[in-house]
Formats: sequence, structure tokens, C-alpha cells
Amino acid sequence: AQKVTQAQTEISVVEKEDVTLDCVYETRDTTYYLFWYKQPPSGELVFLIRRNSFDEQNEISGRYSWNFQKSTSSFNFTITASQVVDSAVYFCALSRRDDKIIFGKGTRLHILP
Amino acid sequence: DTGVSQDPRHKITKRGQNVTFRCDPISEHNRLYWYRQTLGQGPEFLTYFQNEAQLEKSRLLSDRFSAERPKGSFSTLEIQRTEQGDSAMYLCASSLGEGGTAYEQYFGPGTRLTVT
Repeated sequence: AQKVTQAQTEISVVEKEDVTLDCVYETRDTTYYLFWYKQPPSGELVFLIRRNSFDEQNEISGRYSWNFQKSTSSFNFTITASQVVDSAVYFCALSRRDDKIIFGKGTRLHILP
Repeated sequence: DTGVSQDPRHKITKRGQNVTFRCDPISEHNRLYWYRQTLGQGPEFLTYFQNEAQLEKSRLLSDRFSAERPKGSFSTLEIQRTEQGDSAMYLCASSLGEGGTAYEQYFGPGTRLTVT
């Protein structure tokens, strides 16, 4: 069975601090995809990143970075120099190749001015 | 194309009534997915289509729920005899699907259902 665990239910940090959102996944598949989505207060899910199971390279996109470690089944997300606009619920998710997505329960991030 | 659209955005209905939601995917996308999200939870998969074929249904999709995608374009999700437990955000997503190189699912804004 596939499962995604986001142990941090809610995090609050002061603006400009760095923050890391944890994600641990379970799957028996050798080929799978990991995702992060952002859900701002408006409610729409915004795609942030997709990684496949064969690519463990870390990725950086502006203030966002992702650390994928198969050895620990983790796919953590770091926001550097956080901004108030980063306040949202962030979901880590897992899927097989172009299959349904299994979402974690999300981490609500508050960036305080 | 401006992305996945859903209609209506909000629906309030009385228990026992039937409701129908519509989803228009990104035009070149073959796959269409329905998810349900309740307060404080992540989205949960309901069903998905490859063109007009419904390929998988979750156990969450009771016999009161039915989804169609008759011409492989837009899809409808109908809930019959609504119950208060059906209150949730219903999300639609689409992807390029089979033959595509990208497996990102792009989500619509959702339909928020409130059953009173």
C-alpha cells in the first residue's frame, strides 16, 4: 500500500526565516513519483514539483529546494527566506506512473510578519 | 486554454437532494481525475478516466456517486440522495496521460458542497 506521512500539522515561523517541511512515504513500487502541492487560502492546489524515483538529485527553484532521499523514504521541502505569501497548506504526495495521487494530510504553514 | 475549470464553485443543497458537478479539463489532456477533500485533510482519490473510459473507482465512491465522461472531454460527477457526510470540496484534475511525458496533474478550483 502507498502512504504519505507529514508529521508536522502546523508550523509558524517569522518572515525571512528558513523552514523545512517533512515528508515520509511508503511504497512497494520501484517506479513512483513524488510531488509537492501548495494550497493557499483561495483553495486551489498549485503544483510545485514532481520527482521520479530514479532521480535523487536535489532541486532548487528560487527560494524553494527539495531533498529526496530514497534511503530514508523522505522528500523534504525547504523554503529559504520565507515570505508572508508562502503561508498556505503544503501537501506532499505520491503516485505510480500517471496514476491516482495519494496525498499526505498536509502541513499548514504560517509566516508571521 | 486557461486550465481546469469546475462548475459550480459552490453548492448548498438539502439532505436527500441530488447534485451534479461539471469539470472541463485542459483541452489536450486525456486523463481526468476526481478527488474529494474534507476539512483539514488532503485530497482523496475518487475515480479517473482515460478519455471516456472509467479506469478506476475508489471504495470511497459509494453507489450514490456516479461519474461520466461521455465524449472524453468534460466530466460530470453526480451524487444522489446527498448526506451531510458528503459535504466537502470536490476537486477535478487532468493530465496528459498515456503517451504523455509529463505526469503532473493540474487541479481545478474545486466545487465546495455543503449539505444541510
